[in-house]
Amino acid sequence: GAVVSQHPSRVICKSGTSVKIECRSLDFQATTMFWYRQFPKQSLMLMATSNEGSKATYEQGVEKDKFLINHASLTLSTLTVTSAHPEDSSFYICSAMDGNSPLHFGNGTRLTVT
Amino acid sequence: QKEVEQNSGPLSVPEGAIASLNCTYSDRGSQSFFWYRQYSGKSPELIMSIYSNGDKEDGRFTAQLNKASQYVSLLIRDSQPSDSATYLCAVSWSGTASKLTFGTGTRLQVTL
Repeated sequence: GAVVSQHPSRVICKSGTSVKIECRSLDFQATTMFWYRQFPKQSLMLMATSNEGSKATYEQGVEKDKFLINHASLTLSTLTVTSAHPEDSSFYICSAMDGNSPLHFGNGTRLTVT
Repeated sequence: QKEVEQNSGPLSVPEGAIASLNCTYSDRGSQSFFWYRQYSGKSPELIMSIYSNGDKEDGRFTAQLNKASQYVSLLIRDSQPSDSATYLCAVSWSGTASKLTFGTGTRLQVTL
């Protein structure tokens, strides 16, 4: 089945620094990938839709200048959290579609900002 | 605002029993429905998808959809301790699973 790889699985950074998270579709091409965020004991919230070769579409309330998304190829999307703050500490999960099949999720990235 | 609602639980069932998880959604235009299982600290994994009214069975899992009542459920037969997890209901307002709205999840505990 379709596999989505996400890296890193955990990252700790200092407040004010930037962190890049990668999401790769390993055995299929994904023109669209999705970035979710999950705070403890809460559900997944869609942050943005990443479209290969064009600008990402951000959900209401998500700052596009803070969460930079690049989808430069059919197998890779990156999310960069710029000038991270402790309130950005969360579990970030990417997902991708293989054709019309249901979404497959990456293993997630646990971000801790100190 | 489109919403997906679930009872947060925990739902506790003994090993071997049937676990019944419920989900309601707000938009009648919803077309695709999914159940994901999420273990603590892990990302969700797809359990079932259902697109039309009625029941859909896959092994020990049965998804039930009632669009008139805007209700989707997941039954887990012969519950095992390894089924203990949070079950997320997800709904798409398009014909594909492109953009999902998730419920807050129901935590299931299967006791020995």
